[in-house]
Amino acid sequence: NAGVMQNPRHLVRRRGQEARLRCSPMKGHSHVYWYRQLPEEGLKFMVYLQKENIIDESGMPKERFSAEFPKEGPSILRIQQVVRGDSAAYFCASSPLRGTTGELFFGEGSRLTVL
Amino acid sequence: TQLLEQSPQFLSIQEGENLTVYCNSSSVFSSLQWYRQEPGEGPVLLVTVVTGGEVKKLKRLTFQFGDARKDSSLHITAAQPGDTGLYLCAGLNTNAGKSTFGDGTTLTVKP
Repeated sequence: NAGVMQNPRHLVRRRGQEARLRCSPMKGHSHVYWYRQLPEEGLKFMVYLQKENIIDESGMPKERFSAEFPKEGPSILRIQQVVRGDSAAYFCASSPLRGTTGELFFGEGSRLTVL
Repeated sequence: TQLLEQSPQFLSIQEGENLTVYCNSSSVFSSLQWYRQEPGEGPVLLVTVVTGGEVKKLKRLTFQFGDARKDSSLHITAAQPGDTGLYLCAGLNTNAGKSTFGDGTTLTVKP
């Protein structure tokens, strides 16, 4: 499968625990985007990364959230000390080049439930 | 902040009917995409429009980009239950390198 791979698909955490969501972009894609989605709502931009660089993190909450896209390995979205309001679907998307047509290829998402 | 407003938010119709959903903004976009998302899945790209006034057809789906590149519409002819899903539009700001999404239109087509 050469598509965008996200794992885990489902993650349950208790309040105060940490959540780590992983995303492997499509082969040949060097740009990764993370979006958050609440039920029956659209996608809210969180962060845009290239390898080893955060390009735009204007959608990331100031505390507890961080993202990285290392030289080797998947992109990781990390949520520390989770709260119930963090429960959502988190989608990763990749694209081959910045500022081209804007087409994004999405993974199937990671659904976080905070108890 | 560039905002995209989609309407209607919810739409429930019978199989065979036609429908149009809208995506509007006060901002100009370099390009605009339409995606469809089914429950439990990620959005899947349907089409990209780039030129003002552009019309693209994908089987029973017709997409139009406004002349000023601020708005778009999606028209479905003779809807089928398989068209059920959340339809999302997204506009690209080339300078920012990121896309802004509307809140979507949830379409239900009843057999």
